[in-house]
Amino acid sequence: GDSVTQMEGPVTLSEEAFLTINCTYTATGYPSLFWYVQYPGEGLQLLLKATKADDKGSNKGFEATYRKETTSFHLEKGSVQVSDSAVYFCALSDVGSARQLTFGSGTQLTVLP
Amino acid sequence: DVKVTQSSRYLVKRTGEKVFLECVQDMDHENMFWYRQDPGLGLRLIYFSYDVKMKEKGDIPEGYSVSREKKERFSLILESASTNQTSMYLCASSSPTGFHEQYFGPGTRLTVT
Repeated sequence: GDSVTQMEGPVTLSEEAFLTINCTYTATGYPSLFWYVQYPGEGLQLLLKATKADDKGSNKGFEATYRKETTSFHLEKGSVQVSDSAVYFCALSDVGSARQLTFGSGTQLTVLP
Repeated sequence: DVKVTQSSRYLVKRTGEKVFLECVQDMDHENMFWYRQDPGLGLRLIYFSYDVKMKEKGDIPEGYSVSREKKERFSLILESASTNQTSMYLCASSSPTGFHEQYFGPGTRLTVT
């Protein structure tokens, strides 16, 4: 079946540091890939998406590139802010289970001033 | 702007009570989902619905039921609440077309005492 593996957290960075959160996936078809963010006490918000190989999703300074050859979708940001402190979830939607998303376990990010 | 609302942000109930969690979306989405989120366990799918009066079990349906009488509303029911159902409950919706990204409500933190 489909699965998503994220790097273990928590991740703690200083403000303006470079962020990478690794995400790899296993899917039977050609999935769409997503990053969601969850701020404390809130629901999940869609951060960015990519729907085919080599697509780059971007939003709010975050980027992720759909790499089919390495089955990866790593989240990056060049300069994090304290306000980026949240939990980040990688997810996929596969053609075989189009109504559902498969989520990674989430990565807690804390940015210190 | 897409919107998913949940009836309560915080709820405290006693063991054995019947509990209703309501979710409403204004995006005319066919698909709706209920998840629970617990530390260390990530998001787990309880039930989902892809049409009015339709429902399908997710990964952990035991102890829960759902109701979908109108397209915009999806209710989660705890028939007899137990302490192990203390959790954060998240509702989401998606369109069956496009790339199946889900849009989440703010969550209901339920405590069963």
